[in-house]
Amino acid sequence: DAKTTQPNSMESNEEEPVHLPCNHSTISGTDYIHWYRQLPSQGPEYVIHGLTSNVNNRMASLAIAEDRKSSTLILHRATLRDAAVYYCILPLYNAGNMLTFGGGTRLMVKP
Amino acid sequence: NAGVMQNPRHLVRRRGQEARLRCSPMKGHSHVYWYRQLPEEGLKFMVYLQKENIIDESGMPKERFSAEFPKEGPSILRIQQVVRGDSAAYFCASSPDRDVYEQYFGPGTRLTVT
Repeated sequence: DAKTTQPNSMESNEEEPVHLPCNHSTISGTDYIHWYRQLPSQGPEYVIHGLTSNVNNRMASLAIAEDRKSSTLILHRATLRDAAVYYCILPLYNAGNMLTFGGGTRLMVKP
Repeated sequence: NAGVMQNPRHLVRRRGQEARLRCSPMKGHSHVYWYRQLPEEGLKFMVYLQKENIIDESGMPKERFSAEFPKEGPSILRIQQVVRGDSAAYFCASSPDRDVYEQYFGPGTRLTVT
């Protein structure tokens, strides 16, 4: 299964954009890229997913490199509520979609 | 539209007792996943179930842990003879089918073994 690498932590100011990087150099052609986040004392929450093209939804945007070896989750205007651990995941579809959570990136948002 | 429900939210057990954790998936979801998060660690997959079937239990400890998802009622994660190392947050997630892209997580059950 493909491995992901993320920075341990990042800081942002409130109402500024945040770019959270993820490296997945061993990604295969059929691996989807998923992002989840976990707010303090809560269960994980789906954020966005993509395969090749950039994706947008109400929560965030996902920019995928042309070679698919890296991707970036973009929060357009960080709020205090966005402070969480963000996980970049490549699910194992042939194993029933189990999610393998790495260490993720702890995002701290300063007022 | 109720989300994934887990109960109890907090559970305290003494060493050697049994712990039963319940998970009611979202309405219409027939796939349930259990994950465990040890203190200061990431979530680890434990087991994947469909109604009345265990599909993948590769993440379950070999002893003392079992899971079921009966035809009627919630999914149950059962831990027999708990030890201090079982203290963790246990999260349940559900999805409507196997090939969906999004799992919906419950709020978790925080188990403390004293």
